[in-house]
Amino acid sequence: SQQGEEDPQALSIQEGENATMNCSYKTSINNLQWYRQNSGRGLVHLILIRSNEREKHSGRLRVTLDTSKKSSSLLITASRAADTASYFCATMIYNQGGKLIFGQGTELSVKP
Amino acid sequence: ETGVTQSPTHLIKTRGQQVTLRCSSQSGHNTVSWYQQALGQGPQFIFQYYREEENGRGNFPPRFSGLQFPNYSSELNVNALELDDSALYLCASSLGTGPIQYFGPGTRLLVL
Repeated sequence: SQQGEEDPQALSIQEGENATMNCSYKTSINNLQWYRQNSGRGLVHLILIRSNEREKHSGRLRVTLDTSKKSSSLLITASRAADTASYFCATMIYNQGGKLIFGQGTELSVKP
Repeated sequence: ETGVTQSPTHLIKTRGQQVTLRCSSQSGHNTVSWYQQALGQGPQFIFQYYREEENGRGNFPPRFSGLQFPNYSSELNVNALELDDSALYLCASSLGTGPIQYFGPGTRLLVL
């Protein structure tokens, strides 16, 4: 079963606009990560935020984590056509062998 | 590029057959995790191998089995293939049960 639910399922924006994706999860976590997947290929790690952190930045990415609401958001600023991909949040629960539990993903389309 | 390789890239099998998928981990990584990703879904954890031993298993039947070799490469074997086994199979390597996993490009399996 999926741990996370992502919202929206699909997002279409113009180049230069900001894109915000949200993720909710069900159980206590050690950390939450965001991954990107181009056209059904392998996933690429974008950013990790630990359960004791509230916000983290990496280049054009900003991630927030609210453990009281069990939710996270990923903001991509000044989007580019090359950002077109599926984005997944993933949580890790260490007493379950360090496995990643993925949400269903947000499909982002950035139009030039 | 993550340095994780998978073979083959595509595979077509018929129901009831058996299949073996292969993964070479990134240099220095001693943990391999396998995931199944159905079309339009997030990856689902199958199992993880750490230093040649199974270190956690997801909700998959025993006909899904695996191996990890002394060089930390890994195999995923699926017996008695079913139509629902059609999916993208992803392997990911990491150092120990560290949080960040590095994914290969995947093997797309079609069961007819």
